[in-house]
Amino acid sequence: AQSVTQLGSHVSVSEGALVLLRCNYSSSVPPYLFWYVQYPNQGLQLLLKYTTGATLVKGINGFEAEFKKSETSFHLTKPSAHMSDAAEYFCAVSVTSGTYKYIFGTGTRLKVLA
Amino acid sequence: SQTIHQWPATLVQPVGSPLSLECTVEGTSNPNLYWYRQAAGRGLQLLFYSVGIGQISSEVPQNLSASRPQDRQFILSSKKLLLSDSGFYLCAWSMSGLSTDTQYFGPGTRLTVL
Repeated sequence: AQSVTQLGSHVSVSEGALVLLRCNYSSSVPPYLFWYVQYPNQGLQLLLKYTTGATLVKGINGFEAEFKKSETSFHLTKPSAHMSDAAEYFCAVSVTSGTYKYIFGTGTRLKVLA
Repeated sequence: SQTIHQWPATLVQPVGSPLSLECTVEGTSNPNLYWYRQAAGRGLQLLFYSVGIGQISSEVPQNLSASRPQDRQFILSSKKLLLSDSGFYLCAWSMSGLSTDTQYFGPGTRLTVL
């Protein structure tokens, strides 16, 4: 069965510093992986996704993630944090058994310090 | 382009009262539809999903139910609310027939049960 683990429920970075949000997955079949962002009292917005092909995926707002099969990881990075990046970030894996479901991680709340 | 609507945006209900939350999607046909609940400080819990009119799959046994009376309408209901039903309810849609496709989320409904 698929699962997702997000290390660190809260991450703080200084404005302009590197953002690194960690996601590890477990899947017995090639996974489809997603990162979403949620601003307070809003729905989730897709940042990026990995399906097949290039393992380095670029998303919106300067974020990118790299699929590393050997490490079963899909960490989210951004070279320089901006105050507007403060939000909650969710990693998800698609269940490929034909049941149309995602498995979400528990989320990481990013705080950006001035 | 596709859009997803949820209403109401916020709702305060007494324990034991009924519930009806509505979700509609525009700009696509026969979407897969999903209801999630997000409790305070927790991740997303899939409650129900639907791949067609009248076809509902339940993920978590509880006092909630879902219905899909029309192709692009998804309703979440309860006959008697519990305190534990408080949370942020999110509706999402994805393309029909693609179990690994991106899910797009609505703006959410904040439910407080007192």
